[in-house]
Amino acid sequence: QKEVEQNSGPLSVPEGAIASLNCTYSDRGSQSFFWYRQYSGKSPELIMFIYSNGDKEDGRFTAQLNKASQYVSLLIRDSQPSDSATYLCAVTESGGTSYGKLTFGQGTILTVHP
Amino acid sequence: GAVVSQHPSRVICKSGTSVKIECRSLDFQATTMFWYRQFPKQSLMLMATSNEGSKATYEQGVEKDKFLINHASLTLSTLTVTSAHPEDSSFYICSATTRQGVGYTFGSGTRLTVV
Repeated sequence: QKEVEQNSGPLSVPEGAIASLNCTYSDRGSQSFFWYRQYSGKSPELIMFIYSNGDKEDGRFTAQLNKASQYVSLLIRDSQPSDSATYLCAVTESGGTSYGKLTFGQGTILTVHP
Repeated sequence: GAVVSQHPSRVICKSGTSVKIECRSLDFQATTMFWYRQFPKQSLMLMATSNEGSKATYEQGVEKDKFLINHASLTLSTLTVTSAHPEDSSFYICSATTRQGVGYTFGSGTRLTVV
């Protein structure tokens, strides 16, 4: 059973701080890694994707991937109350195309308090 | 950017009836459509994968005769929940992708309540 594990939280950070979200995955052959944000009652929206080891930055968000450790993280700098949501880590299966089935983690609830 | 339109956004139906949910890709050809179900405070669980023009592949534990998926064209996929029961009440979400590397685009979701 391929698994994606996240700390369910809740993770609470003050406004302006850095929020750090972590994710581990069991399928060593996974190729593509995604972070989604989901507000209550809404469908997920893509924040970032990463394929290669190292860091990828997009605005206030940085994704970090370490395939040897089977670990992917998301850093949110200058956190805002509007960032309060559930953050889902998703991983594609190995052996398929880059756009195969996604396996989602259980999500981390982030609360940014003023 | 790529947009997937999902309808209806909310539906309430009586136990024993069937409900159809539609997902349309508005500005790209969706060669593959994924259907997910999400119960409260849980993550997305993949129900099935459908490729245009072929039968859907269902995940283990998902009844294919209960959750009928049709992906007849490159822009439309439907999920029909047949003989719905209260335990089928959930948030259903579709996601589309293409061979051209558009990535995954999610529909806005359908909140199904069976009474």
